[in-house]
Amino acid sequence: DTGVSQNPRHKITKRGQNVTFRCDPISEHNRLYWYRQTLGQGPEFLTYFQNEAQLEKSRLLSDRFSAERPKGSFSTLEIQRTEQGDSAMYLCASSPSRFAGGYGYTFGSGTRLTVV
Amino acid sequence: TQLLEQSPQFLSIQEGENLTVYCNSSSVFSSLQWYRQEPGEGPVLLVTVVTGGEVKKLKRLTFQFGDARKDSSLHITAAQPGDTGLYLCAGPHEKRSQGNLIFGKGTKLSVKP
Repeated sequence: DTGVSQNPRHKITKRGQNVTFRCDPISEHNRLYWYRQTLGQGPEFLTYFQNEAQLEKSRLLSDRFSAERPKGSFSTLEIQRTEQGDSAMYLCASSPSRFAGGYGYTFGSGTRLTVV
Repeated sequence: TQLLEQSPQFLSIQEGENLTVYCNSSSVFSSLQWYRQEPGEGPVLLVTVVTGGEVKKLKRLTFQFGDARKDSSLHITAAQPGDTGLYLCAGPHEKRSQGNLIFGKGTKLSVKP
């Protein structure tokens, strides 16, 4: 297993465009998380999945954001009508459910989004 | 509101020096984790501490969890340039049914050769 994989690594888009990011978790991990990190801040929780079920969404996740995890494998995060304030590093992480909440996540390398 | 406050925010030292960074909260955490993050990469888990008063060592890094489980520290002995990075502490949300971790803002460490 090569760990958590995120694509693309970098994305530059014009304001108002839609973007989609993909995350492939560690295959035996059934929990998958999305976080956002801006400069000088720690990662902030966006949403998480247990298998294909989206169990929680942060208030940071506005109506322009949607995440899916069909079949409980890879996940996508879509941002519609991007705004400059969406510029950030989007991080995906996974964990086995029996370790959830207390024993650490494996993060991907992130997708750096720049909205111009 | 659960918050994790890390100090110092920035730290620049010479190779070979010792340092300690701190992670404090007014809330009790069932466990705390420490991650190191390099520029342009995701955080990498270093350690998880679970028991109040627990001390864990990882080569030159020593992690301590406070007796009351409200604070933690990371001590690095004889720092090396390879230790440079953003050190983040994180803990599980108080509502255990929620799967998210709360992160501090991190301590940005620079070790100069």
